[in-house]
Amino acid sequence: DTGVSQDPRHKITKRGQNVTFRCDPISEHNRLYWYRQTLGQGPEFLTYFQNEAQLEKSRLLSDRFSAERPKGSFSTLEIQRTEQGDSAMYLCASSPGQTPYNEQFFGPGTRLTVL
Amino acid sequence: LAKTTQPISMDSYEGQEVNITCSHNNIATNDYITWYQQFPSQGPRFIIQGYKTKVTNEVASLFIPADRKSSTLSLPRVSLSDTAVYYCLVGDVGGPGTALIFGKGTTLSVSS
Repeated sequence: DTGVSQDPRHKITKRGQNVTFRCDPISEHNRLYWYRQTLGQGPEFLTYFQNEAQLEKSRLLSDRFSAERPKGSFSTLEIQRTEQGDSAMYLCASSPGQTPYNEQFFGPGTRLTVL
Repeated sequence: LAKTTQPISMDSYEGQEVNITCSHNNIATNDYITWYQQFPSQGPRFIIQGYKTKVTNEVASLFIPADRKSSTLSLPRVSLSDTAVYYCLVGDVGGPGTALIFGKGTTLSVSS
């Protein structure tokens, strides 16, 4: 299966700890997105990369959040000093350079629980 | 961005046709209408997209009236596996890296 993969699938941490999630997009997709989804809500956009450049960040991405895509392939999302409000599903999506539908291909997500 | 309104939930039985309507009164000229499907513990999956009139693919049909202020996703002969959340999205897909704006979606429950 060559879909978007995310690691880990689940993460439980204590408040105040740092966590890092990884996303491997579909190969040759130069666009990569991060979203956050809480229970009963649709996904909310966090940030977007085109190749290694981070081109857009949502207001939801506070100073405790940082995302990288160092070589334009995989991406990491780090949350520092986690808070209980950070508990959510973190979704990664990728899309190719050109698509008639701007279709984004989502991974299975990383579910974060902050105790 | 155009705001969308869709029912919170719908119930159906296997074999029935399901129609989910989405209202988007403030849709802009450059906006397309896109539907995603999400199963529990999975990321959303693209179903269908349209600009006007009718679009059909192997999964669903999308009906868009002339004024484009609403749209209807039609799922023919649903099965239990169609139980999922369905999101209606409206936005300009022409620009690169366009973020998807999701609402709360419609939770479809299919029973036998």
